[in-house]
Amino acid sequence: GQQVMQIPQYQHVQEGEDFTTYCNSSTTLSNIQWYKQRPGGHPVFLIQLVKSGEVKKQKRLTFQFGEAKKNSSLHITATQTTDVGTYFCAAYSNDYKLSFGAGTTVTVRA
Amino acid sequence: DAGVTQSPTHLIKTRGQQVTLRCSPKSGHDTVSWYQQALGQGPQFIFQYYEEEERQRGNFPDRFSGHQFPNYSSELNVNALLLGDSALYLCASSFQSGRGNQPQHFGDGTRLSIL
Repeated sequence: GQQVMQIPQYQHVQEGEDFTTYCNSSTTLSNIQWYKQRPGGHPVFLIQLVKSGEVKKQKRLTFQFGEAKKNSSLHITATQTTDVGTYFCAAYSNDYKLSFGAGTTVTVRA
Repeated sequence: DAGVTQSPTHLIKTRGQQVTLRCSPKSGHDTVSWYQQALGQGPQFIFQYYEEEERQRGNFPDRFSGHQFPNYSSELNVNALLLGDSALYLCASSFQSGRGNQPQHFGDGTRLSIL
């Protein structure tokens, strides 16, 4: 079945710095979604990318879908303590089954 | 506008017992999916219900079963509980569009512990 791999597993960031987390698939994806899960919370939908090469921004977060639609990235600028949590990418392997990556857990040093 | 609600929030069971978890979808949503999230891992798809039918199932044994009611709420049943079933069980709802491209709205989950 469809699998998405995420790297890195952990990201320790100094407050104010930038970082990027990556999501890769061996097969072409129809779309990709990103979720954020705060410690002790539930996943919250952030964004969906559909088109090849698509770039979307949400304040300090920039999401990109690769040209071949096999990879995606999330770039966060000027990291803040509110960015702490685990970021998941997820993709549909068929019309109804959403497969999540293992996530990138972000901690921030003040 | 109520979001996805799940009950109970926490549950402790022993091996071999059976458990039923409940979920009410977000208002206006008609599709419910269940996920299992072990500690430190991403959510794993269990199954999805639409129009009271299971229409897609993940790689979970038959001990995991479910139901969807006419009001779109859903139950997840797990029989013959194993220690490995300890996890956070998440319910997510969406509005059926015919294609699998809908964002999932998650509830707070049920934390199930097996002793």
